[in-house]
Amino acid sequence: EDKVVQSPLSLVVHEGDTVTLNCSYEVTNFRSLLWYKQEKKAPTFLFMLTSSGIEKKSGRLSSILDKKELFSILNITATQTGDSAIYLCAVGGGGTSYGKLTFGQGTILTVHP
Amino acid sequence: GAVVSQHPSWVICKSGTSVKIECRSLDFQATTMFWYRQFPKQSLMLMATSNEGSKATYEQGVEKDKFLINHASLTLSTLTVTSAHPEDSSFYICSSAVGNQPQHFGDGTRLSIL
Repeated sequence: EDKVVQSPLSLVVHEGDTVTLNCSYEVTNFRSLLWYKQEKKAPTFLFMLTSSGIEKKSGRLSSILDKKELFSILNITATQTGDSAIYLCAVGGGGTSYGKLTFGQGTILTVHP
Repeated sequence: GAVVSQHPSWVICKSGTSVKIECRSLDFQATTMFWYRQFPKQSLMLMATSNEGSKATYEQGVEKDKFLINHASLTLSTLTVTSAHPEDSSFYICSSAVGNQPQHFGDGTRLSIL
């Protein structure tokens, strides 16, 4: 059974702090790992990673994948209150349904002013 | 990128009512769409994969007769929660993707059964 585990489950920081969110996985026929940010509505896409060791960056957010150790991290530097959200890691792979994603439990990030 | 529209965004209804949720892909043809369910402060749980022109593929533990999925066209999939009860209250989200592109999600439907 495909499995995605995120840690920590929740995190409280102050503005300006740097945070690292973790995602480990066990998936047959791995295709990609995705990070999403969810506020009040549906998740919004952040990154899609398919290759090991190549960092993807968007502003203060960055992410990298290690396919040998089966994990990914999402870094957020100089956090702001607007970064408060649930961060979801999802892995695509396995099964017969192309595009099917298995989600981790999510990390609830709270950034205090 | 892919745009997915979901409607309605919020439903409140009495126990025993059937509720239909629509998911439309606005700028591409989606042969496959996905339906998820999310409880408060929990992650997304895949309910079923909706395939255009054929039967949906349900995940283990999801009742096919309770959650009816229809994907009659390349731009529309519907989820009908039949004879809804309070325990069906949840946030339902659909998504779709084209080829190797990341899944994009609709805005979700918050269902409250009284």
